[in-house]
Amino acid sequence: LAKTTQPISMDSYEGQEVNITCSHNNIATNDYITWYQQFPSQGPRFIIQGYKTKVTNEVASLFIPADRKSSTLSLPRVSLSDTAVYYCLVGGFWGYSTLTFGKGTMLLVSP
Amino acid sequence: DAGVIQSPRHEVTEMGQEVTLRCKPISGHDYLFWYRQTMMRGLELLIYFNNNVPIDDSGMPEDRFSAKMPNASFSTLKIQPSEPRDSAVYFCASTQRTENTEAFFGQGTRLTVV
Repeated sequence: LAKTTQPISMDSYEGQEVNITCSHNNIATNDYITWYQQFPSQGPRFIIQGYKTKVTNEVASLFIPADRKSSTLSLPRVSLSDTAVYYCLVGGFWGYSTLTFGKGTMLLVSP
Repeated sequence: DAGVIQSPRHEVTEMGQEVTLRCKPISGHDYLFWYRQTMMRGLELLIYFNNNVPIDDSGMPEDRFSAKMPNASFSTLKIQPSEPRDSAVYFCASTQRTENTEAFFGQGTRLTVV
């Protein structure tokens, strides 16, 4: 399984852009990169997924360099409600890898 | 679809008692995962099923824990006997077997063993 490394915590202010980087040096060829968000007392929720280059949806953007050894989750103009734990996962077909979560990054957004 | 449904939402039990947690996955999903979350250990994968068959139970902490999936729409996680260190939030998640689909989590069951 590809191991991921991300910062334990980050602080930001409302309206700022937040970038959370995840390292996954031993990512496999068929692995996708997926980010989840978890609020207190709730289960994790899917944010975005990508394989290479850039992916954007209504919530976030995901930047993946050519070597795919890292990825960056970008949250534009965060609000207080974006305070949560963000998890980076790397894996492919469920037959080869499992939905394994690391420690995640605790993002605290202040007024 | 109502999403992944877990019951009960909260459970308080005495040490030594049997505890059964329940999960109803999203219809059509063929993978089901059970997790345990604590402040100290984070989100731990306990076991996962594919088409009702347990595939990997290496995360199950000890023999006191057991999980079953008798059909595609129901799974249970049982702890017998329960201990105070089993206190945690237990999550169930389901997904389909394709390379780029998301997993859907239930609201969790907060278990307190006193």
